[in-house]
Amino acid sequence: GAGVSQSPSNKVTEKGKDVELRCDPISGHTALYWYRQSLGQGLEFLIYFQGNSAPDKSGLPSDRFSAERTGGSVSTLTIQRTQQEDSAVYLCASSLRARGESGNTIYFGEGSWLTVV
Amino acid sequence: AQRVTQPEKLLSVFKGAPVELKCNYSYSGSPELFWYVQYSRQRLQLLLRHISRESIKGFTADLNKGETSFHLKKPFAQEEDSAMYYCALSSYNFNKFYFGSGTKLNVKP
Repeated sequence: GAGVSQSPSNKVTEKGKDVELRCDPISGHTALYWYRQSLGQGLEFLIYFQGNSAPDKSGLPSDRFSAERTGGSVSTLTIQRTQQEDSAVYLCASSLRARGESGNTIYFGEGSWLTVV
Repeated sequence: AQRVTQPEKLLSVFKGAPVELKCNYSYSGSPELFWYVQYSRQRLQLLLRHISRESIKGFTADLNKGETSFHLKKPFAQEEDSAMYYCALSSYNFNKFYFGSGTKLNVKP
């Protein structure tokens, strides 16, 4: 696609329910990131996928959070047993390793706004 | 380890005043530095990158390897510059992006 696509754009869920957020990166981009942005706050790194390498999960806040990337393209972020503090915008981004001005730029999706009630 | 530091969470200036958003980094190789901007209810987008040496919307940033800084500057702030600004670091060698915690710029009329 033309850009990073995320779905759903908005999700309201009840506390304790599981949610899945989807990210479709830019075609051909080898790197994919998930970030969280709470209201008025900065970016919080969650997880990073690069090609076939093992993902960097160092930012996941608890074992309720998991993510996978199938076939090196689409990624799903899953939050189990959601809590109110999980309410935030979840941003996906992708990038392509390339030298010089033509590459190595990270592109963001519009985010999935999650509200846990 | 790679790290990006933006010491100011919030910066308020009056319209027409100069603005400088600070960014310091730590990286032992040859970094690529970027500034990303997020306007209200819009997606994060690239503002400028040091490799391009360009001025975007009146903003410039110079990579100072001696001070490991990449401060963003604009001589005369405009109200439409109000946004969240993120400094980021990457490199061709590892292709992973590291972001600072962001600085919210508020330009008052």
